[in-house]
Amino acid sequence: DTGVSQDPRHKITKRGQNVTFRCDPISEHNRLYWYRQTLGQGPEFLTYFQNEAQLEKSRLLSDRFSAERPKGSFSTLEIQRTEQGDSAMYLCASSLAGRVVDTQYFGPGTRLTVL
Amino acid sequence: QKEVEQDPGPLSVPEGAIVSLNCTYSNSAFQYFMWYRQYSRKGPELLMYTYSSGNKEDGRFTAQVDKSSKYISLFIRDSQPSDSATYLCAIPPLDRGYNKLIFGAGTRLAVHP
Repeated sequence: DTGVSQDPRHKITKRGQNVTFRCDPISEHNRLYWYRQTLGQGPEFLTYFQNEAQLEKSRLLSDRFSAERPKGSFSTLEIQRTEQGDSAMYLCASSLAGRVVDTQYFGPGTRLTVL
Repeated sequence: QKEVEQDPGPLSVPEGAIVSLNCTYSNSAFQYFMWYRQYSRKGPELLMYTYSSGNKEDGRFTAQVDKSSKYISLFIRDSQPSDSATYLCAIPPLDRGYNKLIFGAGTRLAVHP
């Protein structure tokens, strides 16, 4: 399968714990996005990478959240001191720059439940 | 006011019906308009996108944009049970040269045999 993959698919954690998610984009894609989707809502933008550079962070991304994309390949999203409000689906998408509008390919998401 | 508004439904139709899904948006500067489909427990997948006003057809799907009223629509002809999913409209602001997407809430569609 050469699509976007995310790991783990599900994560249950207790409030106050740290969690880390991984996204492996389509190999030649240089753009990578993280979104968060809560029940009954559309995905909300969290952050964007062009290669290894993080070029934008949403105000939704509090200082408990950090994302990295070392060497412009896979990306990780870490949440420190999780809160119940962090429970959501975390989606990763990748695309190839070159057109005015590039198609984003989404992974299956990581569903986080904070107890 | 949200930048993109979408009626969450749910919408239930019989197989073969014509389905109309709609969104409104607030910023007249938006130029591209996208429709994504999301099956349960999956990530969204791009169905089609349009530029500016007008219609675009792809098989049983037609996307329509009316910029004068800031209204976008997706029509599905001859709907099938396999079309049962959540449909999300999405708009890339393009103010920074890349495509962070602003999504509507999604409309959940059920097509029953």
